[in-house]
Amino acid sequence: DTEVTQTPKHLVMGMTNKKSLKCEQHMGHRAMYWYKQKAKKPPELMFVYSYEKLSINESVPSRFSPECPNSSLLNLHLHALQPEDSALYLCASSQVGSGDQETQYFGPGTRLLVL
Amino acid sequence: GDSVTQMEGPVTLSEEAFLTINCTYTATGYPSLFWYVQYPGEGLQLLLKATKADDKGSNKGFEATYRKETTSFHLEKGSVQVSDSAVYFCALYSGYSTLTFGKGTMLLVSP
Repeated sequence: DTEVTQTPKHLVMGMTNKKSLKCEQHMGHRAMYWYKQKAKKPPELMFVYSYEKLSINESVPSRFSPECPNSSLLNLHLHALQPEDSALYLCASSQVGSGDQETQYFGPGTRLLVL
Repeated sequence: GDSVTQMEGPVTLSEEAFLTINCTYTATGYPSLFWYVQYPGEGLQLLLKATKADDKGSNKGFEATYRKETTSFHLEKGSVQVSDSAVYFCALYSGYSTLTFGKGTMLLVSP
């Protein structure tokens, strides 16, 4: 099973709202990732968690707050977003420290619209 | 730093035509190379990969060979279908949990 699931599929929020995106994988992967993808662009890395600890933060604004409650779950908490934050948010996972650590498996994404 | 260059799209083909999407890379060391596909409204799916020089990745009729001498990883398919219409991303991994993506190439296949 190489499935990463994400909820919700679509989200519309106002600039004063607080919402969360959720990601789950059951492949036993110990690295999980958040990406942001704007239309007609490649994904841009936001955060990396390795063994439930934040290992990479690509200078993402503090209105995005990641959380990794356990090895299967990854959340992205959203607060006071701007319209330019509207995008497809992708979660991915991979192994750590093994022969296949370079292969990332992506979820279907959450399409976010900020009004 | 690492970089991936893909041919600009869209690539427009008729069904059953031969497909080539060019991808070249710049990287230190010996990266692993990937092709991901993104169908409309969906996330990225791993299409194929190669981890060392001269490896050939293949899946669903698509193939790509890791050519170290030309730093290339071109995607090919002998006979495309309408259902292959999507955006194709070439990517490399050279460490530090980071994938470097090309800009993506849109493929449009007409009946």
